[in-house]
Amino acid sequence: QQQVKQSPQSLIVQKGGISIINCAYENTAFDYFPWYQQFPGKGPALLIAIRPDVSEKKEGRFTISFNKSAKQFSLHIMDSQPGDSATYFCAASINDYKLSFGAGTTVTVRA
Amino acid sequence: NAGVTQTPKFQVLKTGQSMTLQCAQDMNHEYMSWYRQDPGMGLRLIHYSVGAGITDQGEVPNGYNVSRSTTEDFPLRLLSAAPSQTSVYFCASSSPGLAGSDTQYFGPGTRLTVL
Repeated sequence: QQQVKQSPQSLIVQKGGISIINCAYENTAFDYFPWYQQFPGKGPALLIAIRPDVSEKKEGRFTISFNKSAKQFSLHIMDSQPGDSATYFCAASINDYKLSFGAGTTVTVRA
Repeated sequence: NAGVTQTPKFQVLKTGQSMTLQCAQDMNHEYMSWYRQDPGMGLRLIHYSVGAGITDQGEVPNGYNVSRSTTEDFPLRLLSAAPSQTSVYFCASSSPGLAGSDTQYFGPGTRLTVL
């Protein structure tokens, strides 16, 4: 039983468009919500992360929106580029080393 | 720094065989973890360690053993491989207590097939 539910499973976006990936969780003890990016044949790499004391965090073209009351958080990729084509995982943890991952979203950016 | 290294990159086993997946990190991280990645299921925690000599079970520990004799190394042992253990295995490390230390650094993975 996955503790973090992620959607959609895959999405296709045109270059310059916005990609949005959503995640939901049940365990209110989670206090750290990272997003990982994974390219084929590689290990996941941290993209951006948020703590529940803020509602939004932006790093370049990537933004996390966090809704504590709804127990949901999402990743927005602005001005999507072909190099953003990858699999994205949301995750949550109570401490820093025991991550619970979502199932992943494969993003394809068409030029 | 090499970061997190894993060997081998690929491995094919027959049912019942044993093997050890190696993981090493050169960042002096206290925390190390093993995850398996299966299609449609994300990554699931197998075992983790908060320091040398200390290990504990994650979400899917059955069929796997670990030990942590040094800070650098965290091997994962399959005692009797089963087809259900066909997966991609990732080792990760992180360090607690420092600003910005939440990042888990992942190795490149080991792709294991059990026939």
